[in-house]
Amino acid sequence: KNQVEQSPQSLIILEGKNCTLQCNYTVSPFSNLRWYKQDTGRGPVSLTIMTFSENTKSNGRYTATLDADTKQSSLHITASQLSDSASYICVVSERRDSSYKLIFGSGTRLLVRP
Amino acid sequence: NAGVMQNPRHLVRRRGQEARLRCSPMKGHSHVYWYRQLPEEGLKFMVYLQKENIIDESGMPKERFSAEFPKEGPSILRIQQVVRGDSAAYFCASSPFTSSYNEQFFGPGTRLTVL
Repeated sequence: KNQVEQSPQSLIILEGKNCTLQCNYTVSPFSNLRWYKQDTGRGPVSLTIMTFSENTKSNGRYTATLDADTKQSSLHITASQLSDSASYICVVSERRDSSYKLIFGSGTRLLVRP
Repeated sequence: NAGVMQNPRHLVRRRGQEARLRCSPMKGHSHVYWYRQLPEEGLKFMVYLQKENIIDESGMPKERFSAEFPKEGPSILRIQQVVRGDSAAYFCASSPFTSSYNEQFFGPGTRLTVL
């Protein structure tokens, strides 16, 4: 069964610190992996998208890595800000005709404290 | 350039009533996707529609749920005879075309509470 698992489930860090969120997936065949940020009461917003041939992609203070061999990804947040408090969701799509059918992890809830 | 719009943002229904959730895709987008998010869980795909066509409804419960995307107007997700287990956040996303790499833009969601 295609699954996306994320860890930790929740995380509290102090403003200005860095953190790394993890994602493991069993989706196969694999097309691409995305990280989304979801603020409370809002819809998910895309941060990065990587295909199986990409190892790393950055978007400002967000850097995502992908190891397609071990089926692992991470999202690193540098110099965290209070506005980074949100859920971060790892999303994978299959390399099939149904690639539009995104498979979501349950997210990591990040709280940045002053 | 407005994003994906959903209304209502919050909807309260009693068991047995009908719930109608509306989604207006981004301008120029003709592909709409509906997802459901149960408390403490990730979003789950429900249905994919193009104008006037249901392309994939494999994630929709077989009974009480239906979706449409008419030629004119928003996409509608309809839930008949709601039960407590239908309480969830329902998100709509849209895209200009569909491919394995296309980005889906999400609306703010409708939070349905069934009393």
